[in-house]
Amino acid sequence: QVQLVQSGAEVKKPGASVNVSCKASGYTFSSYYMYWVRQAPGQGLEWMGIINPSGGSTTYAQKFLGRVTMTRDTSTSMVYMELSSLRSEDTAVYFCARVRGSSSWYETVDYWGQGTLITVSS
Amino acid sequence: DIQMTQSPSSLSASVGDRVTITCRASQAISNYLAWFQQRPGKAPKSLIYAASVLQSGVPSEFSGSGSGTDFTLTISSLQPEDFATYYCQQYYSYPFTFGGGTKVEIK
Repeated sequence: QVQLVQSGAEVKKPGASVNVSCKASGYTFSSYYMYWVRQAPGQGLEWMGIINPSGGSTTYAQKFLGRVTMTRDTSTSMVYMELSSLRSEDTAVYFCARVRGSSSWYETVDYWGQGTLITVSS
Repeated sequence: DIQMTQSPSSLSASVGDRVTITCRASQAISNYLAWFQQRPGKAPKSLIYAASVLQSGVPSEFSGSGSGTDFTLTISSLQPEDFATYYCQQYYSYPFTFGGGTKVEIK
């Protein structure tokens, strides 16, 4: 069965960086793109970007350009999301989610990770 | 960016009620529309894609319709486990965007 297991919660200081991991299993890792989505406390969902695990190419939301980097390791079936220059507004739960359908840039998702709470506080 | 507007933002309903949630896109998105359910403290669950296609394993009480700019999610007979927040999402153009959510509460 498809599973996405994310790394644990972290507390970071303003200005620091955070790297969230997402380990995929139960399917052919390189065949399905992955989103990252975040949710601030009590707020809605916000799309951050998408990565093609096969070639590593990415598309990011303009809002995060220059601060976000999505990467993957095909040998371990893991994707990573690094967010730099953290500020208090980045406090949120970060989700990875598998894009449904093979190799598609314009698709929605079918499976979600459990979420990783990142708290930014001095 | 395409703005997704959901209405209502919240509603109260009883078990067995028929519930309809509306999602409007600020520009035409064909049928590139998905719906998600999120219970408190949990990850979202994917319900519908391509505006009307149920994800595998989603009960048939859920249905979706619409194309262009106006979409609806209907729950034909509300079950206790359906009390949650529902989000729509467009995946027609980047950045993909979500509606603000509709919270379905117990009356």
